[in-house]
Amino acid sequence: EAQVTQNPRYLITVTGKKLTVTCSQNMNHEYMSWYRQDPGLGLRQIYYSMNVEVTDKGDVPEGYKVSRKEKRNFPLILESPSPNQTSLYFCASRRQGGISGYEQYFGPGTRLTVT
Amino acid sequence: DAKTTQPTSMDCAEGRAANLPCNHSTISGNEYVYWYRQIHSQGPQYIIHGLKNNETNEMASLIITEDRKSSTLILPHATLRDTAVYYCIVRGTSGTYKYIFGTGTRLKVLA
Repeated sequence: EAQVTQNPRYLITVTGKKLTVTCSQNMNHEYMSWYRQDPGLGLRQIYYSMNVEVTDKGDVPEGYKVSRKEKRNFPLILESPSPNQTSLYFCASRRQGGISGYEQYFGPGTRLTVT
Repeated sequence: DAKTTQPTSMDCAEGRAANLPCNHSTISGNEYVYWYRQIHSQGPQYIIHGLKNNETNEMASLIITEDRKSSTLILPHATLRDTAVYYCIVRGTSGTYKYIFGTGTRLKVLA
């Protein structure tokens, strides 16, 4: 089954304790992206990657790091989490290129709480 | 990418057509209109996209005005399961790879 998976689905952690949220897709997609969703603010893009070893900032990259060493994986790293990073996080992937573009496939979400 | 404007919320009776508008007055010639929806706190789901011609698939129809400054997503026979937040996004297929989702329209289908 074609899908985007995220782990963990739920995480409660403390301020300053480094964490990684994993994202993996099995569709051989070139493009992958991370979003956060907060009440009243909708979905905001954190980082995206157009292919292996190619990443770029979205609208809210502060406090996050990403890496794209393999095509299928795109982990989100919080080096020193703070309470304002408490949010619902989504990973997404899609094919790159094409005349009309392609739709994104989203993972199930990771609910992160930083105390 | 062009900014979009959508109503915050809408109601629709079950079985009736739901018409969700989106304004994108600054859209440029190579930018497509995409629609996604998000049910509860699940990951958003792609619905449809188009450039300037009207499009239809098994989920919905997309009507884009001739000047391309606005569009309407039509769910022909809304069901309770269509209750969700609907996002209209405008973006090109080259150049910037960012997505700007905004806050969308919260559609409530009423029994």
